Amino acid sequence: GDSVTQMEGPVTLSEEAFLTINCTYTATGYPSLFWYVQYPGEGLQLLLKATKADDKGSNKGFEATYRKETTSFHLEKGSVQVSDSAVYFCALSDNYQLIWGAGTKLIIKP
Amino acid sequence: EAGVVQSPRYKIIEKKQPVAFWCNPISGHNTLYWYRQNLGQGPELLIRYENEEAVDDSQLPKDRFSAERLKGVDSTLKIQPAELGDSAVYLCASSLEWWHLPNSTYTQYFGPGTRLTVL
Repeated sequence: GDSVTQMEGPVTLSEEAFLTINCTYTATGYPSLFWYVQYPGEGLQLLLKATKADDKGSNKGFEATYRKETTSFHLEKGSVQVSDSAVYFCALSDNYQLIWGAGTKLIIKP
Repeated sequence: EAGVVQSPRYKIIEKKQPVAFWCNPISGHNTLYWYRQNLGQGPELLIRYENEEAVDDSQLPKDRFSAERLKGVDSTLKIQPAELGDSAVYLCASSLEWWHLPNSTYTQYFGPGTRLTVL
């Protein structure tokens, strides 16, 4: 079946560092891909999405490109802030169902 | 536009007691989902509604869990009786999907969740 694999955390960076959180997937069809973010004590917020190959999703300085050839959807940000500390989930849509990665905890130190 | 609303935000009960969670989806969204999220894990789908019909409840523990979505808008998820292992965050999400069309993006929007603690 379809699956999503994320890099394990926690990922600890200093403020203003470059961020990459790896996400790869396996899917039989052509899913949409998502990044969700969960701040401490809060629900899941849609961060960005891409619905077809080569699409780039972006929001709040974060970017991810749907790479069909490498089955990847890596999340990047050029300069992280303390407020970016959260858990980040990569997911794909298998028809109506979201298939989730395990989540990557990001810790940004001042 | 208001997001998905859930209440209560927190609930502490003793085991064997009943508990209910309420969700109001984004206006106009025809599809509603209930998830359970254990600490340090991704969400697990419990049930999905298309309008008022439960179209996927295969992961819902039907011996103690029940849900309803009267009139295809608000939804309630109930646990009776609660067990210690039910402690988790219960998330509601909604989306607008046109299932008969090929270009639906299946984008789900989540509420803040209800954190349940069973003592």
